Amino acid sequence: EDKVVQSPLSLVVHEGDTVTLNCSYEVTNFRSLLWYKQEKKAPTFLFMLTSSGIEKKSGRLSSILDKKELFSILNITATQTGDSAVYLCAVEADSGGSNYKLTFGKGTLLTVNP
Amino acid sequence: GAVVSQHPSRVICKSGTSVKIECRSLDFQATTMFWYRQFPKKSLMLMATSNEGSKATYEQGVEKDKFLINHASLTLSTLTVTSAHPEDSSFYICSASSGRVGYNEQFFGPGTRLTVL
Repeated sequence: EDKVVQSPLSLVVHEGDTVTLNCSYEVTNFRSLLWYKQEKKAPTFLFMLTSSGIEKKSGRLSSILDKKELFSILNITATQTGDSAVYLCAVEADSGGSNYKLTFGKGTLLTVNP
Repeated sequence: GAVVSQHPSRVICKSGTSVKIECRSLDFQATTMFWYRQFPKKSLMLMATSNEGSKATYEQGVEKDKFLINHASLTLSTLTVTSAHPEDSSFYICSASSGRVGYNEQFFGPGTRLTVL
């Protein structure tokens, strides 16, 4: 059974801090790893990673994948209160035929205090 | 970006009734739609995958007779929770994918909060 484990489960920091969120996985037929930000409603897409060692950046957020060690990290620098959310890691894997599916981790609840 | 809508956004029903949730892709054709449920402070759990025009594939432990999925067109999938019970109360989220080669991103709907009394 595919498994995605995120750590820490929750994190409280002060504005301006840098945080690193972790995601490790065990899946069969890996295709990609995705990071999402979830506030009150549905997840919003942050990054899709398919290759090891290539950092993806978007503003203060960045992420990298290690397919040998089966993990990814999401970094947020100079955190702001608006970064407070649950960050979800999901792994996309082939599920047979032309189908594929996402397996989500439990998420990291990030709280950024002013 | 691609937009996916869900209706209703919130529904309260009595135990024993059936509830239908719609998921629509507004500006693209979704060959594949996914249904998830999320309990408070828990992650999204995939319930089923549906391809347009064929039967849905349900994940282990999901009762197909209880959670009826219909993907009748390339822009609409419905999830019907039959004979709902309080333990079915949850946040149901759909996602849609165009399934274009090399581009498998799922676009999520805003979710439907179901409360069964």
